[in-house]
Parts: sequence; structure tokens; C-alpha cells
Amino acid sequence: GAVVSQHPSWVICKSGTSVKIECRSLDFQATTMFWYRQFPKQSLMLMATSNEGSKATYEQGVEKDKFLINHASLTLSTLTVTSAHPEDSSFYICSARDLASGRDTDTQYFGPGTRLTVL
Amino acid sequence: GQNIDQPTEMTATEGAIVQINCTYQTSGFNGLFWYQQHAGEAPTFLSYNVLDGLEEKGRFSSFLSRSKGYSYLLLKELQMKDSASYLCAVLDSNYQLIWGAGTKLIIKP
Repeated sequence: GAVVSQHPSWVICKSGTSVKIECRSLDFQATTMFWYRQFPKQSLMLMATSNEGSKATYEQGVEKDKFLINHASLTLSTLTVTSAHPEDSSFYICSARDLASGRDTDTQYFGPGTRLTVL
Repeated sequence: GQNIDQPTEMTATEGAIVQINCTYQTSGFNGLFWYQQHAGEAPTFLSYNVLDGLEEKGRFSSFLSRSKGYSYLLLKELQMKDSASYLCAVLDSNYQLIWGAGTKLIIKP
């Protein structure tokens, strides 16, 4: 099946630093990737939709200058949390849509998540 | 390796009951989630089980058996709006989410 990986799995950083999280589709090409944020036992909050070769589309309330998204290839999207603060501590999850699949084009494959802790 | 299995697609009738099964093999276990995802939308949280047994929440119930590596989501009094994909996800020993591929539930009148 389609596999999505994220790196790193865990990251602890100091307040004010920037952190980059990678999301990779390992065995399929994804023109569209999604970045979510999850708080404990809550629904995933969509932050932005990342389209290969173009600018990301951010959801209302998400600061695009703080959460930089780059989707430079069909298998890689990165989320950079700039000048991280403790309130940015969360579980960040990406997903990728496999448009080559002959089935449901709405199917998303989710990554394992990256746990960010900002001290 | 780590693996989560759930049926690809299920069909049920409005007003009926449907059970969506999820079996898992993971390195460690820190809980199992069920999410509902409508096409084009973000997944919404339905339930979290970490202890064996049945948790009921309105029309939706979730069951877990850790010894069997098995969970199910039970939906009662099905409504057309319940047509969606249902995702099973396990939090492993490293607190990483292992996702099932999702079950597309189709409700017919």
C-alpha cells in the first residue's frame, strides 16, 4: 500500500528557533499533500494544502509566514515552523493524495506524525 | 512490520447498523483512534480507546480488544450524512500514528 513517511519523528527545540519537518510519499507520486495539526484526542486541523510546484493554500487563521511550506517535488513536502514558541508544540501530521490511483481520488494516505516540543 | 487492516469499502442502508472492523499489528500500543473523513474535508475525531471494552457515544460506539489486536466502530441508526471514510489509527510505542487505509462507507436510502 501507499506509504507516507515523516522526518523527524520527534523534535525538541528552543523557543525562537526554526524547525523543518519533511513529508515523503515513498512509493507513489503526490501532487497534493496536506499538513495537519492535532491536539490530544481532537480532530485534525487542516493547516494548509501543498501543491507541487506552486504556492501552498493556507487555511484561515494559519500564518503563512510562520508555517512555511515547500512542495518542491512529487514526493516531498516540507513544513518549516519559523521562530517556534511553546504554543506551537503539537503533533504535526501530513497526508498525501495519490492521483495515480485508479480508485477514489479523494483517498489520502497519512504520515506517522511529528511531535514538536518547543521549550 | 506494522500493519493496520480495515475493509476498503462497505455499503449499508439508511436506518440500519454497520460495524467497521480494524485489526492491527504494531510495535507497542498507546491507544486506538477512529476518525471520520468526508470527501475534501479534514478527518474529525470520533473515539479513542486505550482500555479493552466498549465505549458508547451517541449513535457511535467503539470497541477494543488489545489481546486480539482488534477494534470495531459501530454505527447505529445510519443516516445519509454518515457516508464517509472511516479511518482507524494506532499510536505505537514511540507515539507515532500508524494509519489504516480507511473504509469508505456508502449509505443507501
